[in-house]
Amino acid sequence: QQQVKQSPQSLIVQKGGISIINCAYENTAFDYFPWYQQFPGKGPALLIAIRPDVSEKKEGRFTISFNKSAKQFSLHIMDSQPGDSATYFCAASTWNTDKLIFGTGTRLQVFP
Amino acid sequence: KAGVTQTPRYLIKTRGQQVTLSCSPISGHRSVSWYQQTPGQGLQFLFEYFSETQRNKGNFPGRFSGRQFSNSRSEMNVSTLELGDSALYLCASSSGTGDYGYTFGSGTRLTVV
Repeated sequence: QQQVKQSPQSLIVQKGGISIINCAYENTAFDYFPWYQQFPGKGPALLIAIRPDVSEKKEGRFTISFNKSAKQFSLHIMDSQPGDSATYFCAASTWNTDKLIFGTGTRLQVFP
Repeated sequence: KAGVTQTPRYLIKTRGQQVTLSCSPISGHRSVSWYQQTPGQGLQFLFEYFSETQRNKGNFPGRFSGRQFSNSRSEMNVSTLELGDSALYLCASSSGTGDYGYTFGSGTRLTVV
């Protein structure tokens, strides 16, 4: 019940295209859903996050879509750029812990 | 402001030895969490310290331990190292008061030979 399932494992997108990564969870106590971006040799960096009281959040080219009834959330990267090539992790947490449960990661490659 | 600092960046240890990793959180942050990252298991939560007390613990054996000092700096110790302990160990700091502002360090790459 603590798992967060992430797909796809890898994704290849043409420059300018849309990258979509999906995550699903079971624990309805989760109330914070962040997405992290990780480059080789670096720690994960927070991209964007959402709470379950909203269905969508947009920051620049990055959008989280959240479906509470389906217990799913997804990251959309619009106008994907080669600099977006990295590994992306979804995660979930509950209000009373500082503990993130991570998805398994998606390696995104954006080709010019 | 300065980010989360982890030292050392790289370590090579022999099976059976012990190792101590250090994490200095962002100034003002009182919570420090530790994660293990491996290709096979991904990112897994080890434990979290807040105001010098362990507040949460993941499913790791007792060989993995940690502590936090009064200045919020944290150390993680792994005793009797096994080959499977080879991983990137990441530290994340936050205020610890529920605002979810986690910031990760660049990690310590531990190789056990």
